[in-house]
Amino acid sequence: GAVVSQHPSRVICKSGTSVKIECRSLDFQATTMFWYRQFPKQSLMLMATSNEGSKATYEQGVEKDKFLINHASLTLSTLTVTSAHPEDSSFYICSARGWTSNNEQFFGPGTRLTVL
Amino acid sequence: AQKVTQAQTEISVVEKEDVTLDCVYETRDTTYYLFWYKQPPSGELVFLIRRNSFDEQNEISGRYSWNFQKSTSSFNFTITASQVVDSAVYFCALGLGSNYKLTFGKGTLLTVNP
Repeated sequence: GAVVSQHPSRVICKSGTSVKIECRSLDFQATTMFWYRQFPKQSLMLMATSNEGSKATYEQGVEKDKFLINHASLTLSTLTVTSAHPEDSSFYICSARGWTSNNEQFFGPGTRLTVL
Repeated sequence: AQKVTQAQTEISVVEKEDVTLDCVYETRDTTYYLFWYKQPPSGELVFLIRRNSFDEQNEISGRYSWNFQKSTSSFNFTITASQVVDSAVYFCALGLGSNYKLTFGKGTLLTVNP
């Protein structure tokens, strides 16, 4: 199957700082990337969908000015958590879908964000 | 609106027992995909199966089998002869729309005890 990487795998930051998480499709071109958030012992909640070269589409209740998503190339999408607060601490997972993926999303390994 | 219900929050079995994880979905779309994912403690999602709405054939892959019944909007997952390594959270998901956005169920924590 296709491989999706995320960097960093873990990040700890101070309240008020911004954190950038990268999501890369390593062996295919990702026309669409998805960002999910998962709180402990809870399900994955879709935050936003981004198509390469277009603005991201955010799900209801997700602040687009707080969670900046950029999908500038067919292999890279970034999620920036701006002015992070402790309540933003979560597991962030990206997934990618391409022309050849037959509608399947390939998931990255996730990034655990802890805001102190 | 779409919805996925996994009524079993936690299941605990003894090794070699068979176990079935339930999944019920809701959608008005006639074209959709159903998925099962495994999430071990490491957190990385492991893809198990995808089934489209026009294919109701059941599937077996080793110890895993899936029963898709459109009449009851269910897509249940059975592990035969469970093993300790099967311990994980299992998610059922529904994919809709041109981007096949996924809606996940709340997951079922399966613990297989030796």
